[in-house]
Amino acid sequence: ETGVTQTPRHLVMGMTNKKSLKCEQHLGHNAMYWYKQSAKKPLELMFVYSLEERVENNSVPSRFSPECPNSSHLFLHLHTLQPEDSALYLCASSQDHEPGGGNEQFFGPGTRLTVL
Amino acid sequence: LAKTTQPISMDSYEGQEVNITCSHNNIATNDYITWYQQFPSQGPRFIIQGYKTKVTNEVASLFIPADRKSSTLSLPRVSLSDTAVYYCLVGEGGYSSASKIIFGSGTRLSIRP
Repeated sequence: ETGVTQTPRHLVMGMTNKKSLKCEQHLGHNAMYWYKQSAKKPLELMFVYSLEERVENNSVPSRFSPECPNSSHLFLHLHTLQPEDSALYLCASSQDHEPGGGNEQFFGPGTRLTVL
Repeated sequence: LAKTTQPISMDSYEGQEVNITCSHNNIATNDYITWYQQFPSQGPRFIIQGYKTKVTNEVASLFIPADRKSSTLSLPRVSLSDTAVYYCLVGEGGYSSASKIIFGSGTRLSIRP
């Protein structure tokens, strides 16, 4: 257990559906992250939140919409996805998001998303 | 952006020392080097982080030469449970550098009895 939980663990959705992924961290961290891991591709950073403020959107399509209501929770709202969006979506948290290293990231188990 | 290059896969045997090298020729002055381990169907797990020279913890050592254009993760006396994918990550974090957090393609390490 890393202290970061994600639900659901598996999700199958159609291209017209709207769903949300949830992440919760129990570590008292100030920064949270969404990553996408596709088959045979490196981990791709999608979004970063620090102190509940979005730090950066890494050119992610608007069909992915993040939300961070507080420092412990992070959501990824999904709508009108494409089959190529099928991947493992990982959430992570770190104590802070500041220069100088020490930003060890604690990852959740991921949500395996399949878009039909 | 500091892109990283790692071997796609490596094989070794129980009890051996394994060294995985990552190249990051364009590493920036403020970038740290971090290694993560990932088992199937799990999120990556932090192993070690360093900026220069050598860092050692209870599970691994990290060697970084003076030019910092590469780094080597050293796993002493591996066991079957060390079979996993190992990622080299170069980035600094920080409010203006989220896009600089780049994971490599990972090295798939297989340990045999």
